[in-house]
Amino acid sequence: DQQVKQNSPSLSVQEGRISILNCDYTNSMFDYFLWYKKYPAEGPTFLISISSIKDKNEDGRFTVFLNKSAKHLSLHIVPSQPGDSAVYFCAASALGTQYSGAGSYQLTFGKGTKLSVIP
Amino acid sequence: KAGVTQTPRYLIKTRGQQVTLSCSPISGHRSVSWYQQTPGQGLQFLFEYFSETQRNKGNFPGRFSGRQFSNSRSEMNVSTLELGDSALYLCASSSARGRDPRMLSYEQYFGPGTRLTVT
Repeated sequence: DQQVKQNSPSLSVQEGRISILNCDYTNSMFDYFLWYKKYPAEGPTFLISISSIKDKNEDGRFTVFLNKSAKHLSLHIVPSQPGDSAVYFCAASALGTQYSGAGSYQLTFGKGTKLSVIP
Repeated sequence: KAGVTQTPRYLIKTRGQQVTLSCSPISGHRSVSWYQQTPGQGLQFLFEYFSETQRNKGNFPGRFSGRQFSNSRSEMNVSTLELGDSALYLCASSSARGRDPRMLSYEQYFGPGTRLTVT
């Protein structure tokens, strides 16, 4: 049972345009969401996050939107650059559930979307 | 600050053997989590250690085990290897948020991974 879904395995965007990566989740207990970027032969790199008490968080060219009623979040990259070409993972966590010790939690990841930014 | 380091980076083992992977977290980070990444299942949580104690565990068989040392370095062991254990094994470390060192920051910082191939 996949609790975090990224339905688009790949996405191609022209340089300078907007990239929109989508993520859906099913567990209503998730209260924190993160996006990671992964290049080949490297570990995932933390990009941006959002708490469930917010609906938007911006960091430079990256903006994450959260729609709790739809259980949907999206990552917008504007403008897209060739260096943004990577696999993007959506992750979610529920502190207070999925854990067995104070302060512990686990991240539940989607399967990733491969973004290609075409020069 | 140096990032999360993992050794070895690549490993080839045969079925039935056992393997030990090592992870050194970012200096000052006391929590270490392990994830398995496969093409079919994506990133899946294995376990989390804090102050030498396993606090959280994912849905993996008992052949997967780990430990953490007093300097926060962690090892992961897989016994009786199966072909399906071929994967990228990622280690991530987290720091505390706020005053309670047990309460983790949601952001996890990943190492480059160990690519395990079982033949």
